[in-house]
Amino acid sequence: DAKTTQPPSMDCAEGRAANLPCNHSTISGNEYVYWYRQIHSQGPQYIIHGLKNNETNEMASLIITEDRKSSTLILPHATLRDTAVYYCIVRLFTGGFKTIFGAGTRLFVKA
Amino acid sequence: EPEVTQTPSHQVTQMGQEVILRCVPISNHLYFYWYRQILGQKVEFLVSFYNNEISEKSEIFDDQFSVERPDGSNFTLKIRSTKLEDSAMYFCASTGLAGGPGELFFGEGSRLTVL
Repeated sequence: DAKTTQPPSMDCAEGRAANLPCNHSTISGNEYVYWYRQIHSQGPQYIIHGLKNNETNEMASLIITEDRKSSTLILPHATLRDTAVYYCIVRLFTGGFKTIFGAGTRLFVKA
Repeated sequence: EPEVTQTPSHQVTQMGQEVILRCVPISNHLYFYWYRQILGQKVEFLVSFYNNEISEKSEIFDDQFSVERPDGSNFTLKIRSTKLEDSAMYFCASTGLAGGPGELFFGEGSRLTVL
């Protein structure tokens, strides 16, 4: 699996958009970008994934650059409950491969 | 919404004792995983399981660890002789075909405390 680089922590004001960056410059052509988050010590929660097109679901949007070397997870209207560690992961979209979690970005949403 | 359930939520054991952590993955999922997280550290991969056998394991998953899917619903992690350093949160996860094998669904975890 390719490695990712994320800032260790970020702050965001409640109600504003939270933009979490991720660098994955060594990503290969068939690897997807996945985002998870972990609130306190709960089990990690899947957020979104994508290959090269931008993706949006009810939780977030994922913007992947054209060269696929970086991506941004956008939480459009952050709430206090979005305070968590956010993990950017690249991996193959096939079974049997482990998903490896890095240190992630600790997002603090402040009132 | 279907979910992965884990029991017990918290277990305290003496060093050297055997521990079994149980998980009920989502029913139509095909791939099963155990991860652990030592307090304040990263979520670490332990083992993946597919088609009734281990498909991959990490260096953490030594001979003290074993996994089993004894029936169609349960997935267990056994630690044969616990050590102090086994104290951690243990997370079970599963994936199905719909979201792809990267979309892991995690349980809420079992906290293991070894004294």
